[in-house]
Amino acid sequence: GAGVSQSPRYKVAKRGQDVALRCDPISGHVSLFWYQQALGQGPEFLTYFQNEAQLDKSGLPSDRFFAERPEGSVSTLKIQRTQQEDSAVYLCASSSPGQTYEQYFGPGTRLTVT
Amino acid sequence: DAKTTQPTSMDCAEGRAANLPCNHSTISGNEYVYWYRQIHSQGPQYIIHGLKNNETNEMASLIITEDRKSSTLILPHATLRDTAVYYCIVRVLSSGSARQLTFGSGTQLTVLP
Repeated sequence: GAGVSQSPRYKVAKRGQDVALRCDPISGHVSLFWYQQALGQGPEFLTYFQNEAQLDKSGLPSDRFFAERPEGSVSTLKIQRTQQEDSAVYLCASSSPGQTYEQYFGPGTRLTVT
Repeated sequence: DAKTTQPTSMDCAEGRAANLPCNHSTISGNEYVYWYRQIHSQGPQYIIHGLKNNETNEMASLIITEDRKSSTLILPHATLRDTAVYYCIVRVLSSGSARQLTFGSGTQLTVLP
């Protein structure tokens, strides 16, 4: 079946531009997570949704980062006024209520800020 | 969530068993050990998890010491496609609401032909 998909796969932005990254979770998955992965590092948690409710946004590095999931399915991570330190791979993961131990990850979006 | 320590890198010959260690000496009684792996340019993939008993599935085996302070992930017959970064993660299993994963730097396993 279809897994988690993310778009675009690659994004190049000039410093100061706004970007929007999309995540399509597995159908029916209630939980959705965003992670940021810098080069050579493990993924780091950004934010978590349960359905449309954003229950945890403690990992968002600044108020330039904003995430939404208005209908409880597709989610968008928006970064305003991008900076070079925002360059990273942004990963989305989803999980279902009956499988709280396993998160299914998308392939990620590689963001490069020039 | 308890902190984990893993070697930075390991090599393994194709067809041989790959044994990946993980130390988690501060693990609590209600924390599980999870393993994920990340193949280059892909998102992490769940492998296996366990509490205190050894576990086996179609991908790997997980051996947890009796004191639960360390564990070993075993890939019984490594193939070139098993080359990846392997992450050992310790976390509470909560059924009410999901929790994020806390990744360390993991172990880069390279399977050599």
